Amino acid sequence: KNQVEQSPQSLIILEGKNCTLQCNYTVSPFSNLRWYKQDTGRGPVSLTIMTFSENTKSNGRYTATLDADTKQSSLHITASQLSDSASYICVVAQNTGTASKLTFGTGTRLQVTL
Amino acid sequence: NAGVTQTPKFQVLKTGQSMTLQCAQDMNHNSMYWYRQDPGMGLRLIYYSASEGTTDKGEVPNGYNVSRLNKREFSLRLESAAPSQTSVYFCASHRGADYGYTFGSGTRLTVV
Repeated sequence: KNQVEQSPQSLIILEGKNCTLQCNYTVSPFSNLRWYKQDTGRGPVSLTIMTFSENTKSNGRYTATLDADTKQSSLHITASQLSDSASYICVVAQNTGTASKLTFGTGTRLQVTL
Repeated sequence: NAGVTQTPKFQVLKTGQSMTLQCAQDMNHNSMYWYRQDPGMGLRLIYYSASEGTTDKGEVPNGYNVSRLNKREFSLRLESAAPSQTSVYFCASHRGADYGYTFGSGTRLTVV
């Protein structure tokens, strides 16, 4: 069964600190891995997309890594800000020809405090 | 640039009532999707439309119907709402399988 597991479920950090979120997947065949940020009451917003051949990708203070051999990914947030408080969702895609099939993780809820 | 617009934002239905959730995108995307998000679970695909004129079932299609009205609009209909359909519904679109999805802001539906 295709699955995406994220850890931790929730995390509280102080503003200015760094943190790393983990994602393990068993989706096959693999097309790409995405990280989304979802603010409370809003839809998910894409942060990064990585294909099989990419092992790191950055978007500002967000850096995602991918190890396709071990089927693991991480999202590192540098110098956190209060606005980083959100759920971060790992998503793995399979291409089905006409459309992609996405398997979503349940997310890591991050709270950044003063 | 509005992106993906969903209406309504909130809705309360009684069991057995029907309603249609509306979704429109202004990015000229071919593919559109309907997902539901429940506590403790990842988003699950209800229906999708790979291109105008086509629709296909996703992971959890029972109790729903969809219409791809034109390239911009993709609606989701609940014919006879049930409490199990209480959820947050998201519409999404993308321009190609290797591109990020753009999601709407969601419709929070409660069925009592």
